[in-house]
Amino acid sequence: RKEVEQDPGPFNVPEGATVAFNCTYSNSASQSFFWYRQDCRKEPKLLMSVYSSGNEDGRFTAQLNRASQYISLLIRDSKLSDSATYLCVVNSRNAGGTSYGKLTFGQGTILTVHP
Amino acid sequence: ETGVTQTPRHLVMGMTNKKSLKCEQHLGHNAMYWYKQSAKKPLELMFVYNFKEQTENNSVPSRFSPECPNSSHLFLHLHTLQPEDSALYLCASSQVHPDGGYTFGSGTRLTVV
Repeated sequence: RKEVEQDPGPFNVPEGATVAFNCTYSNSASQSFFWYRQDCRKEPKLLMSVYSSGNEDGRFTAQLNRASQYISLLIRDSKLSDSATYLCVVNSRNAGGTSYGKLTFGQGTILTVHP
Repeated sequence: ETGVTQTPRHLVMGMTNKKSLKCEQHLGHNAMYWYKQSAKKPLELMFVYNFKEQTENNSVPSRFSPECPNSSHLFLHLHTLQPEDSALYLCASSQVHPDGGYTFGSGTRLTVV
């Protein structure tokens, strides 16, 4: 089983649509979670961290379910500029409680927003 | 300059060449990383440096040789590469405990001919 799994898509949605991405992770000791965005031929950029209580940043809402080892990202009122690959990212700590200092990336979900 | 800077942006090299990729961060971070991104594959971790000490080598072939002279600079020395090594090579930095995520450089797009 992959450490971080995402539906690769692609998701093709019209402007204004609401779209949701899901991600599962295999390491129950994982401690911090992120969504990154990667535009074509560019580097990944942090979109938002994901907190246990869920968090929102404008049109973007992230949710975490530790029991199910599941993370989601909801994008409301999609814009053309939201077209990108969305990467689910997990940081796992070792048994000693110190971070490995490495993030594990999912393969990404491709989103295309069309007029 | 701010952020994480990688040079060169593009590199074409023959299989017998030796070249180096450079990464520099201006964020005061203490950890630096090399990742490889091939087409249609997830980002693959190659090396981790914490406080300029290598803490992880993710079974990377010896034709890739990292160097971290200080916490702000990271190099990847390349020699006798194969065409399948063609990829985007991304450098990132973070605090040692990256609960705030990484900051990536723009990457070096490498083509081995």
